[in-house]
Amino acid sequence: KQEVTQIPAALSVPEGENLVLNCSFTDSAIYNLQWFRQDPGKGLTSLLLIQSSQREQTSGRLNASLDKSSGRSTLYIAASQPGDSATYLCAVSGNTDKLIFGTGTRLQVFP
Amino acid sequence: GAGVSQSPRYKVAKRGQDVALRCDPISGHVSLFWYQQALGQGPEFLTYFQNEAQLDKSGLPSDRFFAERPEGSVSTLKIQRTQQEDSAVYLCASSPSASGTDTQYFGPGTRLTVL
Repeated sequence: KQEVTQIPAALSVPEGENLVLNCSFTDSAIYNLQWFRQDPGKGLTSLLLIQSSQREQTSGRLNASLDKSSGRSTLYIAASQPGDSATYLCAVSGNTDKLIFGTGTRLQVFP
Repeated sequence: GAGVSQSPRYKVAKRGQDVALRCDPISGHVSLFWYQQALGQGPEFLTYFQNEAQLDKSGLPSDRFFAERPEGSVSTLKIQRTQQEDSAVYLCASSPSASGTDTQYFGPGTRLTVL
């Protein structure tokens, strides 16, 4: 059974720092891995999707890497801003379309 | 362009009542998913539709939970005889294809509180 773990569970940093959020999964037979952002009381916003054949994806200040063989992904946030404060969720999909989520990393960036 | 919408946004039910939660996916999206998110946890899969066909309902926690998508667009998640452990946010997501390689687009969720 696929299990997804995210470390750390919570993170509080001053504005401007570069951050790394970690995600690990137990079954390397995945189709893709996605990183989502969730603001309080809101739904999920997709940030980056990495197909199983890819190693990384970049969007603006965000970069996500995937090492399928070791079951790990990292989300790198450059030059963090207070507006980046949210919960970040990692999710994988296997041979069915459903997503299996980690429990998330709660990020707070203070001015 | 409209995203995924869900209604109601908030629902309070007394234990034992039946509830119905609605999801309007993005127009033309083939796949539709329901997830349940307990407080402080990641979303957990409930069920999946490809057009009107319910292809996976392995995540439904009991036979009190029922979902339908009769015309391949709007979907309804029904919970009968609600229990306190059903209190959660119910998220709906849609994606354009059935390939499993597309991003899922999520609605804002329905927060269900069972008293």
